[in-house]
Amino acid sequence: DVQMTQSPSSLSASVGDRVTITCRASRSISSYLNWYQQKPGKAPKLLISSASSLQSGVPSRVSGSGSATDFTLTISSLQPEDFATYYCQQSYTTPWTFGQGTKVEIK
Amino acid sequence: EVQLVESGGGLVQPGGSLRLSCAASGFTFGDYWMHWVRQAPGKGLVWVSRINGDGSSTNYAVSVKGRFTISRDNAKNTLYLQMNSLRAEDTAVYYCATDVGGPWFGEFSLDSWGLGTLVTVSS
Repeated sequence: DVQMTQSPSSLSASVGDRVTITCRASRSISSYLNWYQQKPGKAPKLLISSASSLQSGVPSRVSGSGSATDFTLTISSLQPEDFATYYCQQSYTTPWTFGQGTKVEIK
Repeated sequence: EVQLVESGGGLVQPGGSLRLSCAASGFTFGDYWMHWVRQAPGKGLVWVSRINGDGSSTNYAVSVKGRFTISRDNAKNTLYLQMNSLRAEDTAVYYCATDVGGPWFGEFSLDSWGLGTLVTVSS
């Protein structure tokens, strides 16, 4: 299986901060990398597919980059609605695998 | 509007069986890969299984292979997950999901999710 490792596991940040979450794959997954946001009690929401393609309706302050084994999710100016847990997920091969999640909390 | 509505969850004893259903609407169901993803209480997301549009291809997580069976009825626009030999570690909210907004018919990402159904395995 391809192991996905996110860092950090959690972070505290203030509104307006720039936030970066890293995801590393145990082997190359090309650009088959997706990012999801999940709020408590809710289903996940797809933010970015194919490493850098922003989904419709997702604000432009959110961006994704990377390829092969190293990927990044960046929120350029954190807003109150961005406090949530974020997951990366590879779809290069089955079984699909998710990172363990990064919880973004209010400082 | 795309809707995915899971049902069939509940309390089951270890070793028991349960069948989950996911009723789909708002898109051409038979064109899309469909997936099950689960989340244990307070834990992260875990992909469980997927099935292609005509049901001819399926994949499973190692942890459920041989115990769970994914299937679909395109005439009824419904996805199923038959879960046998259930264990305490199968306790989770089970989501069905697909991707109707992208170009790959759910093969590579998940943009549409149901609300989930809770499965609790306990004696």
